Parts: sequence; structure tokens; C-alpha cells
Amino acid sequence: DAGVIQSPRHEVTEMGQEVTLRCKPISGHDYLFWYRQTMMRGLELLIYFNNNVPIDDSGMPEDRFSAKMPNASFSTLKIQPSEPRDSAVYFCASRPRGRLETQYFGPGTRLLVL
Amino acid sequence: AQKITQTQPGMFVQEKEAVTLDCTYDTSDPSYGLFWYKQPSSGEMIFLIYQGSYDQQNATEGRYSLNFQKARKSANLVISASQLGDSAMYFCAMREGVSHTDKLIFGTGTRLQVFP
Repeated sequence: DAGVIQSPRHEVTEMGQEVTLRCKPISGHDYLFWYRQTMMRGLELLIYFNNNVPIDDSGMPEDRFSAKMPNASFSTLKIQPSEPRDSAVYFCASRPRGRLETQYFGPGTRLLVL
Repeated sequence: AQKITQTQPGMFVQEKEAVTLDCTYDTSDPSYGLFWYKQPSSGEMIFLIYQGSYDQQNATEGRYSLNFQKARKSANLVISASQLGDSAMYFCAMREGVSHTDKLIFGTGTRLQVFP
């Protein structure tokens, strides 16, 4: 089975530009998570969805960040406008309903904002 | 206060030896879950093992075992018979209040280096 798919794998953009990160969860997984990893802050949860509905977005840094899940097989994380401090690796993860013991991570998107 | 503490920034172990990576946690919730993930240099996060707070026995998955000491609030990862491919960053994580949140809180990680 295919794992969590993220695109792009690498993104380089200039400050002020809009950035859209994409995620396809594992088929049948009801929960989807967006994480960010930086040297300074480590791994932190940004937002997660259950059945396409945002459940906890308390980790979203500010209004420049937004996340959507229009259907069960697709989610986006958008940064507008981007800033150099947004440079990080962004992970998407998913898990099936009733399986609390793990979250399956995608390969991550490495974002560099110049 | 740190919710998850990994006090070892780096560890070295010789191939075929066992190694223990430390993790302590802080929560007042009686229901929680503890996780270990491996992050090799390629960057992906690989799930290794899970321990629920009500699990009676320590979790094991192949060469990985979790030494769960509830009273001490520690959840150390033991890797037996280390292999060169075990060289990576290892993260401990916790989910508090299993029934009402899915938020994982990660520690700062331990970099493990396995040498021949």
C-alpha cells in the first residue's frame, strides 16, 4: 500500500510568495496531521483533522498559515505571505480510526524561504 | 515545564551491542500514550513502538523494546543487537488524554551513532 504522499518534496521560494504544500493520506485513514520541524522548535503539531474537519489548530503559528481538507484524500497547508522564519520541514501524517497507537508520517516537504 | 525530556543529545554504541535511549515525561492525565520514532538522515519519520499508560506489559517490536516505568515517568527505548542502519535521530513523543486529543508532543531527540 502507498504511504502518505507529500508534494513537493522540496520548495524554494522568495519572501512574500504564497506557498502551498500538499498531502495525500493513506487510503482509509480518518485522521490527518500537519507537523513542522525546525532546529529551534523541534517537531510541533500545527493542526489535525478528523473526517476532513479541523479538530485542533492551536499550533498554527499565525494567520499567514491556513490548512484545508476538501476531501478524505487530500489536504493542503498554505502560507501566505511566506517569511524566512517559515523555513522548515513540514510533515503530513495520518492514522486510521480506532488505531491510537501510531501516526504514519509522509516523507516531508523541505521548505526554504529566501 | 517540558512535557517530554530526552537528556541525551548523542549516544554511541558498538555494532551488536544493546543501547538504551532515555525519555522521561510529565503529565497529570492518567490516560496517555508514549511513542518512539526514528528519523534517519534521509529525513522521514519512522514509527517504532507504542506504549499505552494502561498497558500491563512493556511493549516490544522486534529488536525494540520500551522500558516503561510508570512511577518514575520514564519510557526508555532499548535497541538490542545494534546495527549500522540504526544510526539516526530518535524521538520520544507523548499523547495526553488519549480519549480527547490526538496531539503528539515530541522530545528534542537523541542522535544515535552505531560504529563497527
